[in-house]
Amino acid sequence: DIQMTQSPSSLSASVGDRVTITCRAGQTISNYLNWYQQRPGKAPTLMIYGASTLRSGVPSRFSGSGSGTDFSLTITSLQPEDFATYYCQQSYSTPYTFGLGTKLDIK
Amino acid sequence: QVQLQESGPGLVQPSETLSLMCAVSGDSINNGNYYWAWIRQPPGKGLEWIGSVYYSGTTYYNPSLESRVTISIETSKDQFSLNMRSVTPADTAVFYCARKKWGSFDSWGQGTLVTVFS
Repeated sequence: DIQMTQSPSSLSASVGDRVTITCRAGQTISNYLNWYQQRPGKAPTLMIYGASTLRSGVPSRFSGSGSGTDFSLTITSLQPEDFATYYCQQSYSTPYTFGLGTKLDIK
Repeated sequence: QVQLQESGPGLVQPSETLSLMCAVSGDSINNGNYYWAWIRQPPGKGLEWIGSVYYSGTTYYNPSLESRVTISIETSKDQFSLNMRSVTPADTAVFYCARKKWGSFDSWGQGTLVTVFS
């Protein structure tokens, strides 16, 4: 199995801040990396796929980058609705695996 | 806009079989562009892919669960199902069904909590 390691596990920030979450794969996965947002009590929603492609309808303040083993999700100018938990997921090979998540909360 | 809806018992006894159904609407499950998946999330924890099924019936399972899991599909009813045998309290989780496109899970059901409890 490909292990996905996210950091930090939690992050406090303020509205308007810029934050970056990182995800490292246990082996190279090219750009087969997806990011999800999960609000409390809700299902995850896909935000970015293929490491850097923004899903239709996702605000442009979200961006993703990386290739190989190191990836990042950046949110510029945080909005109140962005405070949630974010998960990375590799789709390079089965079993598909997720990171443990990064909880982003309001400072 | 595709919608997925899980259904099934919220309480299962240890050693029994957990059975869930996912009804798909707004798209045909026969659409060869997608796989259909089950994912679970224990309370307060992360996400675990259980397995996926194609409209043809081809399945892929997480090796960690493969010996206990069967995923099947009923294309005539636009639904797919999950059976997990010999459950224990460690299997307590929110179970999600989802649509997989190009490796990412682009649509999810709302999730259903299944508690393994005697």
